[in-house]
Amino acid sequence: DIQMTQSPSTLSASVGDRVTITCRASQSISIWLAWYQQKPGKAPKFLIHKASSLESGVPSRFSGSGSGTEFTLTISFLQPDDFATYYCQQYNNYPYTFGQGTKLEIK
Amino acid sequence: EVQLVQSGAEVKKPGESLKISCKGSGYSFSDYWIAWVRQMPGKGLEWMGIIYPGDSDTKYSPSVEGQVTISADKSISTADLQWSSLKASDTAMYYCARQGDSGSYYYYWGQGTLVTVSS
Repeated sequence: DIQMTQSPSTLSASVGDRVTITCRASQSISIWLAWYQQKPGKAPKFLIHKASSLESGVPSRFSGSGSGTEFTLTISFLQPDDFATYYCQQYNNYPYTFGQGTKLEIK
Repeated sequence: EVQLVQSGAEVKKPGESLKISCKGSGYSFSDYWIAWVRQMPGKGLEWMGIIYPGDSDTKYSPSVEGQVTISADKSISTADLQWSSLKASDTAMYYCARQGDSGSYYYYWGQGTLVTVSS
């Protein structure tokens, strides 16, 4: 199985900050990576696919980059609604796997 | 509008069987893979497996293979996740999710089904 490792596990930031979450794959997954946002008690919400393709309707302050084994999700100018847990997911090889999550907290 | 509507919360005892469901609407159910994703209390997302309703091709994560069965009935646009003998460790929220139009990411999600297994 491909292991997905996110860092940090928890991130404290303030409204207006720019933050970056890293996701590393245990082997190359090309660009087949998605990012999701999850708030407590809610289903995950899809944000980005193919590492950097932002879904329609997702604010442009979200961006993704990377290929191979290292990927990043950047949120510029944090808004109150952005405080949530973020997951990466590879869909290059079965079983598709998620990272363990990064909880973005208000500082 | 694409929707995935899951069956309601369940409370079961260890050793009991269970089937939960996910009904798709607003799209051609046969043509898109449906995944099941587990989230144990306070934990992250875990990909369990997927099914292609058009031909019932199914793939499982090794971590759950043999422990659950994923099935689909395209005639009623429903995918199911079932257990023959529940354990306390099966207590979790279970989500179904549909692949996106251009890849195996999960654009649409059900609301989740909470399964509680307790004696």
